Amino acid sequence: KQEVTQIPAALSVPEGENLVLNCSFTDSAIYNLQWFRQDPGKGLTSLLLIQSSQREQTSGRLNASLDKSSGRSTLYIAASQPGDSATYLCAVKFQTGANNLFFGTGTRLTVIP
Amino acid sequence: DTEVTQTPKHLVMGMTNKKSLKCEQHMGHRAMYWYKQKAKKPPELMFVYSYEKLSINESVPSRFSPECPNSSLLNLHLHALQPEDSALYLCASSYKALGGEGLETQYFGPGTRLLVL
Repeated sequence: KQEVTQIPAALSVPEGENLVLNCSFTDSAIYNLQWFRQDPGKGLTSLLLIQSSQREQTSGRLNASLDKSSGRSTLYIAASQPGDSATYLCAVKFQTGANNLFFGTGTRLTVIP
Repeated sequence: DTEVTQTPKHLVMGMTNKKSLKCEQHMGHRAMYWYKQKAKKPPELMFVYSYEKLSINESVPSRFSPECPNSSLLNLHLHALQPEDSALYLCASSYKALGGEGLETQYFGPGTRLLVL
């Protein structure tokens, strides 16, 4: 069964800290993995997409890594800011199955000023 | 234009009403999606359209009826909904249609928050 899990469900950090969000998936045969941000009651904003052949992607203060063999991805946020407070979702496109994204349950991040 | 738009932003309807949700993109994407998201849960896929044809229906009740009039528009017609259908309905699109590897980032709209009374 293909599943995506995110731990912890919620995280609070003081402003300025570096932090890591975790995503794990049960099937290593993936096409890609995508990290999204969702503000309360809003749609999803794509942050980073990592292809299966890649190890990491970077955008500004964000760095996402992918280890297919262990079924894990991490999203590293440097020098966190209160504006980073949101729910972060990872989503995996597995090689078996159609053009679906399997979403994790998300990590709700609060950055305290 | 890298935006997916959805209307209305909010919708309140009774169980006997008929309403429609609309989604639009002008990025030339060939795949469009409807997702349903309950509070504090991840989005759940409902339908996928590929080249304007319905390719995936994730066992969604018939009171939800999707329609893709052209490559830029996606509608979701609602009829005889139940209170448990109250949720955030998200539309998304991607350049690549079904199957295969590729740079098919999914772009999401802001959603329609639906309340069924």
